[in-house]
Amino acid sequence: DAGITQSPRHKVTETGTPVTLRCHQTENHRYMYWYRQDPGHGLRLIHYSYGVKDTDKGEVSDGYSVSRSKTEDFLLTLESATSSQTSVYFCAISEGVGYGYTFGSGTRLTVV
Amino acid sequence: ELKVEQNPLFLSMQEGKNYTIYCNYSTTSDRLYWYRQDPGKSLESLFVLLSNGAVKQEGRLMASLDTKARLSTLHITAAVHDLSATYFCAVDMNSGYSTLTFGKGTMLLVSP
Repeated sequence: DAGITQSPRHKVTETGTPVTLRCHQTENHRYMYWYRQDPGHGLRLIHYSYGVKDTDKGEVSDGYSVSRSKTEDFLLTLESATSSQTSVYFCAISEGVGYGYTFGSGTRLTVV
Repeated sequence: ELKVEQNPLFLSMQEGKNYTIYCNYSTTSDRLYWYRQDPGKSLESLFVLLSNGAVKQEGRLMASLDTKARLSTLHITAAVHDLSATYFCAVDMNSGYSTLTFGKGTMLLVSP
């Protein structure tokens, strides 16, 4: 469909465990992004990538790391999950400046 | 730091009425985007505004951008129930990597 998929769609995990979310695209877009959405905060940028192995931090990057070893995959890892990381995580892709984003379907993560 | 403010954050209106959602931002940018999100769903792109004075229209929605005032508006004409959703504006941070800062969203409820 839109050429971007996120997995898993839902996950419940325990505090202190590592968690990895996957974003996969088939559009060959250079730019990929991870956002989290929380009530009252809108969407906030966690990390982004502008190419294979090229990543940078966003507004709320503490406690998160990312990797991009292939153009099509962008992984978000919560190194040691905390309850404050309970959120909906969206991946987005872009062709570049002026094109806006295409979003994935989101991953609802609950940390208990 | 770029700040994006939307108002109102919640809007309840009757079918057939007109209304405007406002999006103010704090630093210079000439790239602004509007997205729609239905409950429990992902975000879909509505409008891409890339210059001062840009105006885009789709059905009952019209978006405009005034970069001098750092203001975008989303005007709703003769609202219908199907327009009920949350609307986000997002502003390019001018990072060169198409990173966007989102407003908190306006939840629109259109009732008969």
